[in-house]
Amino acid sequence: QLQLQESGPGLVKSSETLSLTCTVSGGSISSKNYFWGWIRQPPGKGLEWIGIGTIYYSGRTHYNPSLRSRVTISVDTSKNQFSLKLTSVTAADTAVYYCARISTVSDSSGYYLDAFDIWGRGTMVTVSA
Amino acid sequence: SYELTQSPSVSVFPGQTASITCSGDKLRDKYVCWYQQKPGQSPILIIYQDTKRPSGIPERFSGSNSGNTASLTISGTQPMDEADYYCQAWDGSTGVFGTGTKVTVL
Repeated sequence: QLQLQESGPGLVKSSETLSLTCTVSGGSISSKNYFWGWIRQPPGKGLEWIGIGTIYYSGRTHYNPSLRSRVTISVDTSKNQFSLKLTSVTAADTAVYYCARISTVSDSSGYYLDAFDIWGRGTMVTVSA
Repeated sequence: SYELTQSPSVSVFPGQTASITCSGDKLRDKYVCWYQQKPGQSPILIIYQDTKRPSGIPERFSGSNSGNTASLTISGTQPMDEADYYCQAWDGSTGVFGTGTKVTVL
């Protein structure tokens, strides 16, 4: 059974870079029908999509337009991990960060993104002044 | 940017039907997913492609999508269904989550 586990610092200083890793176990990150992504949830608030990536389709990535200038998602097949980097953080970036698998469906024109079907347990990241 | 709007809260008695709506422009042209999140836990997928249930999700959860509104229905609501529910869709390659609905079982 596929499982995802987030890891990284729980405290990041303002203006620095937030770096998180998601380790995939019980399956391969190289599976073609999936993207891998990050979602966050500020305390007491709703879910916010950060972005997704895959090693396929020329290493395609898609990012939340509001975060695009600060976000990088990369996939490391050798470690069966994917990562998130968010630069120039502020208090507004304080949140629980989730990693997730995104299923896709292929058709004659390519693929379309489907559901966040497996989630990690989340990790709380606090940005300090 | 594309937005999905949900009513903030729904209250229901045990055994009754709870209906949660998710509104967005021409939502019928997109597939909608629904996620359940209990306090302190990560979300779980309960509906995908508007109407499909993943393995292990009870039949009392059902979904629909028409016009500008998608709906999640919980038939015969149980106390364990008390949670936050989020709809989600893709606007091209951009993921969008709804604002969330808190379901309270009275």
